[in-house]
Amino acid sequence: EAQVTQNPRYLITVTGKKLTVTCSQNMNHEYMSWYRQDPGLGLRQIYYSMNVEVTDKGDVPEGYKVSRKEKRNFPLILESPSPNQTSLYFCASSLRTQAGTTNTGELFFGEGSRLTVL
Amino acid sequence: GESVGLHLPTLSVQEGDNSIINCAYSNSASDYFIWYKQESGKGPQFIIDIRSNMDKRQGQRVTVLLNKTVKHLSLQIAATQPGDSAVYFCAEKDDSWGKFQFGAGTQVVVTP
Repeated sequence: EAQVTQNPRYLITVTGKKLTVTCSQNMNHEYMSWYRQDPGLGLRQIYYSMNVEVTDKGDVPEGYKVSRKEKRNFPLILESPSPNQTSLYFCASSLRTQAGTTNTGELFFGEGSRLTVL
Repeated sequence: GESVGLHLPTLSVQEGDNSIINCAYSNSASDYFIWYKQESGKGPQFIIDIRSNMDKRQGQRVTVLLNKTVKHLSLQIAATQPGDSAVYFCAEKDDSWGKFQFGAGTQVVVTP
């Protein structure tokens, strides 16, 4: 089954304790990205990756790191989590997003990871 | 920065009626627009998209309209069903970049 898998789905942690949220897709997609969802603010893009070893900042990258060492995985790293990073996080992937190609808008989302930082 | 916004946070629709969800965008460089549906406890799902060289696109029970003059996007759902109850997001993208911008979302509630 084609899917985007995030882990963990739920996590409660404390300020300053490094954590990683993993994301894996089995669709051979080139593009992957991370979003956070907060009430009234919709989805805000944290980081995205157009392909292996290529990552770029989204609108809210502060406090986050990512890596794309292989095509299927795109982990989100919080080096020193703070309470304002309490949120619902979504990973998404797409076949490609470059101009002139098909399927440039169909993002496939994971089920979400709810993170609470105390 | 540029932003994508929605006119109504909540839309209550009677089952069988048509729904119209509106979205305003402000980035004139955006040339690709997408609608997503998010059911409770799930990730957003793609519904339909439209490029800036089009003003209308139809899918199964859904139609997206794009008015570039007033920078307005709408999603029409025909014969709304209980399964259409969800939060709907519009999103925009400049096709030369990988950045997506989403609106705040509209909660659609379908009443019997």
